[in-house]
Amino acid sequence: KAGVTQTPRYLIKTRGQQVTLSCSPISGHRSVSWYQQTPGQGLQFLFEYFSETQRNKGNFPGRFSGRQFSNSRSEMNVSTLELGDSALYLCASSLIRQGGGEQYFGPGTRLTVT
Amino acid sequence: KNEVEQSPQNLTAQEGEFITINCSYSVGISALHWLQQHPGGGIVSLFMLSSGKKKHGRLIATINIQEKHSSLHITASHPRDSAVYICAVSANTGNQFYFGTGTSLTVIP
Repeated sequence: KAGVTQTPRYLIKTRGQQVTLSCSPISGHRSVSWYQQTPGQGLQFLFEYFSETQRNKGNFPGRFSGRQFSNSRSEMNVSTLELGDSALYLCASSLIRQGGGEQYFGPGTRLTVT
Repeated sequence: KNEVEQSPQNLTAQEGEFITINCSYSVGISALHWLQQHPGGGIVSLFMLSSGKKKHGRLIATINIQEKHSSLHITASHPRDSAVYICAVSANTGNQFYFGTGTSLTVIP
């Protein structure tokens, strides 16, 4: 089985722009969760999607949004980018809801905002 | 306030040593996860547990639900074990996912 894939792997954007990141889960997995990792804050939970519905959301501003498609692929969007949004964005897929299933992580998208 | 606390923050060991990393949490949980992150960013899930003990090769994870504490043990450590080990919990209210700050392990040959 193919693992979790994320595209693009690296991205450079300018302050004020918006960005869309993509995550393809392991085949059959219905839960996709997104995380932000920075040197200062470590790993933080952004949101979880299950069966095309956002189930949980972390403590992030509304500039961070996402969606999930019927094939379980998920996208994450960040609007009006700020320098502090520079981070490694990781997605993880799971067979069942985030709390109950083992998470399989993608390689991440490294976003740099200049 | 951190929902998940890990110790130590950094750990250096000689090859072959027995290693313990500790994790304490303050919320009610449905599961606790131990993750491994190598330089470059890739994260691998090592264990997911909600009670007792699990073993995989040289790695052992234990959890004490009453004390809200978990430990990750590495027996006969090897330089390839050098990585950051992260404890994370799935809270049983609100389904939030909280991470510890990680333990950076270096195993010297």
